[in-house]
Amino acid sequence: QSVLTQPPSVSAAPGQKVTISCSGSSSNIGNNYVSWYQQFPGTAPKLLIYDNNMRPSGLPDRFSGSKSGTSATLGITGLQTGDEADYYCGTWDSSLSAWVFGGGTKVTVL
Amino acid sequence: QVRLVESGGGLVKAGGSLRLSCAASGFAFYDYSMTWIRQAPGKGLDWVSDISGSGNTYYADSVRGRFTISRDNAKNSMYLQMNSLRADDTAVYYCVGEYSNSLHYWGQGTLVAVSS
Repeated sequence: QSVLTQPPSVSAAPGQKVTISCSGSSSNIGNNYVSWYQQFPGTAPKLLIYDNNMRPSGLPDRFSGSKSGTSATLGITGLQTGDEADYYCGTWDSSLSAWVFGGGTKVTVL
Repeated sequence: QVRLVESGGGLVKAGGSLRLSCAASGFAFYDYSMTWIRQAPGKGLDWVSDISGSGNTYYADSVRGRFTISRDNAKNSMYLQMNSLRADDTAVYYCVGEYSNSLHYWGQGTLVAVSS
């Protein structure tokens, strides 16, 4: 059971938008920065969003992040077949003194 | 260009030991906290251990007392000594550099398989 809660899967047609939610508590999301990771099968995760809503240089602005209270959201607009991957949210948990993650969300482009 | 290269994974019997290494380049290693993240086959991300630039360490409850994280800033390297390995330690182990409150830089991973 993951500390952070994500939907197992989301899907949309090419060009559409998807959002992935990540729910936590005051000891993690509520008081720490959230980051998001993209992982293709057989490869290492890659940082997508850090500090709740910042994109690493070179990442297209189709990807966005937000946080409100103890929840965070990843948005992907202009969905492409190349966006099919697993997406994880993560943050530090101050009570556990540990990095915690959501269980991952599989994005499918219909 | 940032590069993290893990080594030392392999097949080991339950109760055995392995030492993972991570060689870093392309950034000021001594300034970064470093992390080991693992991923069991078909499962999600699982935090294992953290070490700050000055050497403060943190461990997941599941590995505390069995695993030891360390670093050598002079060699730009991080290590994970894994003892008393169990079948549920089987996973790909990633070396990760932390920056700006995130797991910023990832290695390609090394597979640890523990047979029961």
